[in-house]
Amino acid sequence: NAGVTQTPKFRILKIGQSMTLQCTQDMNHNYMYWYRQDPGMGLKLIYYSVGAGITDKGEVPNGYNVSRSTTEDFPLRLELAAPSQTSVYFCASREGGRETQYFGPGTRLLVL
Amino acid sequence: GIQVEQSPPDLILQEGANSTLRCNFSDSVNNLQWFHQNPWGQLINLFYIPSGTKQNGRLSATTVATERYSLLYISSSQTTDSGVYFCAVAAGNNRKLIWGLGTSLAVNP
Repeated sequence: NAGVTQTPKFRILKIGQSMTLQCTQDMNHNYMYWYRQDPGMGLKLIYYSVGAGITDKGEVPNGYNVSRSTTEDFPLRLELAAPSQTSVYFCASREGGRETQYFGPGTRLLVL
Repeated sequence: GIQVEQSPPDLILQEGANSTLRCNFSDSVNNLQWFHQNPWGQLINLFYIPSGTKQNGRLSATTVATERYSLLYISSSQTTDSGVYFCAVAAGNNRKLIWGLGTSLAVNP
C-alpha cells in the first residue's frame, strides 16, 4: 500500500491565483482530513469528510473548498490565494471505528 | 474546548541519553496519540495510547487518563530521533485531532 499520497510537494503561488492540492489514499478509509501547519505550531483542521459525497468544515475553512467524489480522493481547492495561506498542508485518513490517523507527506505552499 | 500542552518545548540531548516528554490535556479523553515529525516534515504515528503503557523498541509511552497526562520515553537516543514530537487528542464526532505545540528534540552525535 502507498498509504496517503499528496501532490504537489511544493508550490509557489502568486496572490489571487488558485490551485488544487491532491490527496489520495489506498486503504479504503472512510474518514479523510485536511490540516494546515503553520511554523512552530501544531496542526489545525481545515475540512474533513466521513465518506464519499459528505464533507464538513473544520476550524479554519475560510478560503478553501473540498470535494469527495470517491473514497480514495479528497482534493483541497484554494481560490484567490492569500499570503496568510502560506503553510504546510497535510492530508490524513483513518478507518471508521479506529482512532489512528495516517498522514501524507505534506504540501508546502508559499503565496507571494 | 480541549487544551493540549506539551513540555519541554525544546530539548537537546547527546546521543545515547534518555529523555521524557510530557503531554497534559484539559479534559477526560481516551484517545491520545503521539506523533514524530522528522526534519523533512513527515508525520509518523508513534502510539495510539488511550491508557496504560506501550513500548515500541526504544520508545515507550504511558497515559494516565484519570490524571490527564501522558509521557513519552526515549531511551538511548539516536540522531535519527531528532525532530518534533507532538501529542494529539481526538475530539467531537468528526474525531478531529487537537494538537499540542510539540517538543522539538535535537540529538547531537
